[in-house]
Amino acid sequence: DAKTTQPNSMESNEEEPVHLPCNHSTISGTDYIHWYRQLPSQGPEYVIHGLTSNVNNRMASLAIAEDRKSSTLILHRATLRDAAVYYCILMYSGGGADGLTFGKGTHLIIQP
Amino acid sequence: DTAVSQTPKYLVTQMGNDKSIKCEQNLGHDTMYWYKQDSKKFLKIMFSYNNKELIINETVPNRFSPKSPDKAHLNLHINSLELGDSAVYFCASSHLGGAGNTIYFGEGSWLTVV
Repeated sequence: DAKTTQPNSMESNEEEPVHLPCNHSTISGTDYIHWYRQLPSQGPEYVIHGLTSNVNNRMASLAIAEDRKSSTLILHRATLRDAAVYYCILMYSGGGADGLTFGKGTHLIIQP
Repeated sequence: DTAVSQTPKYLVTQMGNDKSIKCEQNLGHDTMYWYKQDSKKFLKIMFSYNNKELIINETVPNRFSPKSPDKAHLNLHINSLELGDSAVYFCASSHLGGAGNTIYFGEGSWLTVV
């Protein structure tokens, strides 16, 4: 499986934008980029995913580099509730029941 | 209604006991999973089932046996519990196929073996 690299932790202030980077230099043309997050004492939850184009949803935006070797999850206005571990995961487009392969993720700390 | 629900949420038991964790999803998904999150917070897939059939069985001791009575349920039975089995176990579900599919997780079952 292609691997991702994320910073161990990041800190941001409440109500400011947050940019969470992810490197995936060995990504294949058929891999989707998924982001999940895990709030304290909860199960992981889906945030956003994309293949080549930038994506927006109510939770966040995903900016994908033109060569697809990196991506950035953007939280436009962080709240205290966004403090969580954020996982950048590549998923093979062939699908199947492989599930998700989680790395260490980025621990996002939000300061009030 | 909770999409993926697991019971019990907390379980404290003694070494050597046999215990089960139940999981149910009401999303109409055909694929279900069990994940384990250890004390170092690493999340690792244990099993996946599609339409009641085992698809993935990662390197997990055979003391762990998943059972899927129907598409909406995937229970985890653990025999002869050991201290190292203490962890948080997450059930999840999704539609099979397509990397664009979202995987939905339950809230976790905290297992402590003493």
